[in-house]
Amino acid sequence: EAGVAQSPRYKIIEKRQSVAFWCNPISGHATLYWYQQILGQGPKLLIQFQNNGVVDDSQLPKDRFSAERLKGVDSTLKIQPAKLEDSAVYLCASSTPVSTDTQYFGPGTRLTVL
Amino acid sequence: QKEVEQNSGPLSVPEGAIASLNCTYSDRVSQSFFWYRQYSGKSPELIMSIYSNGDKEDGRFTAQLNKASQYVSLLIRDSQPSDSATYLCAVNSGGGADGLTFGKGTHLIIQP
Repeated sequence: EAGVAQSPRYKIIEKRQSVAFWCNPISGHATLYWYQQILGQGPKLLIQFQNNGVVDDSQLPKDRFSAERLKGVDSTLKIQPAKLEDSAVYLCASSTPVSTDTQYFGPGTRLTVL
Repeated sequence: QKEVEQNSGPLSVPEGAIASLNCTYSDRVSQSFFWYRQYSGKSPELIMSIYSNGDKEDGRFTAQLNKASQYVSLLIRDSQPSDSATYLCAVNSGGGADGLTFGKGTHLIIQP
């Protein structure tokens, strides 16, 4: 079974630029999560989708971050404009509709904002 | 705001000994508890989940949960150098919004 795919793996941008990350969850996984992991900290949930609907986006900085999952499969997370403090690893995870507790993480996208 | 607290370490343990990792959480309605292992530069990997008070054993790993004390622990028996990693404690409420709240992680070093 293929795992969660993410791209790009690394991205370097300057502050005030825009960036987008892509995630393809495990086939059949209805629930998709985006987490932000700043160096030395645990992952922080940004947004959770159930199929193509948003379940929780309470910690998403909506003035600059947006996310979508149009067809209930792939998802895109966008930052516009980026700030220095957005430098982090952005992790996508997915889970099955049977057991939403078991989340499988992708390899992550490491973002550096200069 | 939900909080999960862990000692960041590093925790240094001799090879073959028992490593004990601890975690406390603030939200009393938390229902599900997890331990993830994260190697440097890699993504978190689930190693244990526990949902009810008591112990749960899986190979060399034992998770312990005490909801009254809001305390979760992970024991690693016969520690191996390959166990050297950061161990993340995570909880969720088990409700409709079931994203995880993570601690900062404990850096474990197994000394050969």
